[in-house]
Amino acid sequence: NAGVTQTPKFQVLKTGQSMTLQCAQDMNHNSMYWYRQDPGMGLRLIYYSASEGTTDKGEVPNGYNVSRLNKREFSLRLESAAPSQTSVYFCASSDTSGSTDTQYFGPGTRLTVL
Amino acid sequence: SQKIEQNSEALNIQEGKTATLTCNYTNYSPAYLQWYRQDPGRGPVFLLLIRENEKEKRKERLKVTFDTTLKQSLFHITASQPADSATYLCALDITGFQKLVFGTGTRLLVSP
Repeated sequence: NAGVTQTPKFQVLKTGQSMTLQCAQDMNHNSMYWYRQDPGMGLRLIYYSASEGTTDKGEVPNGYNVSRLNKREFSLRLESAAPSQTSVYFCASSDTSGSTDTQYFGPGTRLTVL
Repeated sequence: SQKIEQNSEALNIQEGKTATLTCNYTNYSPAYLQWYRQDPGRGPVFLLLIRENEKEKRKERLKVTFDTTLKQSLFHITASQPADSATYLCALDITGFQKLVFGTGTRLLVSP
C-alpha cells in the first residue's frame, strides 16, 4: 500500500516549456487535490477533483490544467511554464464518502522554472 | 478577507516541556479544523481533527482545543521530544467539502 505517489520528484524547466506532474493513489479515495507550497505562503489549492470525471478550480488555478484520468490518477499540467511557477507541488487524496475527513499527501515534486 | 494565522517565528522549547502552538482565523465559520505535521522535504501528515461542536480532542501526547467564539485553536504537545521537531500546520474546512485552507505553519524545535 503505497498511499499517494508523485512523479517526478524533481524537475527543472525553461520558461515556456510544458510538463505534466503525475499523481496516483491506491486508497480508493474519491477526492484528489493539487497544492503548491511556497515559502511564507503555505499550501494553496490549485485544483481539486471531488470524484472521477469532475474537476474544479481552487485558489490559484491560472497557468495550470488538470485531468482526472480515473479514480486513481490525477495529473497537473503546466502548458507554458513561468518562473512564478517555481514551487513545491503536492498531490493529496481523501475519502469524503465516509466519516474520515483527512487528506493524505504525496512526497511532493520540486519544480524550478528558469 | 479570509485569513488563517499561525506564528511564523519558530518555537524553541526544551525536551520534556509542553509545546503550545496557536492557530487563529478570521471571517470563517469552519465545520472542523485539522492539524498536520510536516517534516523537511516531505508532505504534510494528518495528526488530529476537531469539529466545531467539540471543545477538546486528545491523541496520546497531543491535545487540540477549538474555541469558535475566539476563532482560535491551540495545539499542545506534552512531554515534548526532539523527534517532535517539525512544522505544524493548521487547516480549516470552510465548505464542508474537504476544501481545506492551510495556515503557513509554525516550526517547532525541541532541544535535548
